[in-house]
Amino acid sequence: DTAVSQTPKYLVTQMGNDKSIKCEQNLGHDTMYWYKQDSKKFLKIMFSYNNKELIINETVPNRFSPKSPDKAHLNLHINSLELGDSAVYFCASSRNNEKLFFGSGTQLSVL
Amino acid sequence: QKEVEQDPGPLSVPEGAIVSLNCTYSNSAFQYFMWYRQYSRKGPELLMYTYSSGNKEDGRFTAQVDKSSKYISLFIRDSQPSDSATYLCAMRSGSARQLTFGSGTQLTVLP
Repeated sequence: DTAVSQTPKYLVTQMGNDKSIKCEQNLGHDTMYWYKQDSKKFLKIMFSYNNKELIINETVPNRFSPKSPDKAHLNLHINSLELGDSAVYFCASSRNNEKLFFGSGTQLSVL
Repeated sequence: QKEVEQDPGPLSVPEGAIVSLNCTYSNSAFQYFMWYRQYSRKGPELLMYTYSSGNKEDGRFTAQVDKSSKYISLFIRDSQPSDSATYLCAMRSGSARQLTFGSGTQLTVLP
């Protein structure tokens, strides 16, 4: 059973489009995250939700909006996609900010 | 200067070699130290988790933390081609809600 699953795995789209990435965890964790990994493998946190409440909101353009309908789900919606948004986006979850479990990533390519 | 520095490599070693991967950090408040392994096109997976200074061993892997020098290491004994991956160090302070990651070291173990 997949612990943290995110879809889609690949997303290729044109500049200016709006897209969403979905994430679900079945570990019973209380905290979920979105990370962005650039081409040099550097992982940067974007958002974190604890029990559906936004607790970390790093300096990210307003075009990025997370939504947590319940503790097991955290989605990421991106408006007006730009070339610089191309990266791998990882969802992760943890219990009490302890060990992070990552999904397999969504490779976003903006053309 | 970044809070966590990690040599990006790439590092190539022959099968059976002992591998040493290292990170230095500047924040003396860091107390929890982790190593993640990331295979190509996969999400990072937690390999080692340590608290404060000292050593921790798990099979062929040993994590070392020297808080006085602000230096952590991961040793891999009898390295295997299946160990070929990017290794990311990560750490946080006791009160922090998020991890600070190193930029990762790419390791290739040659058969």
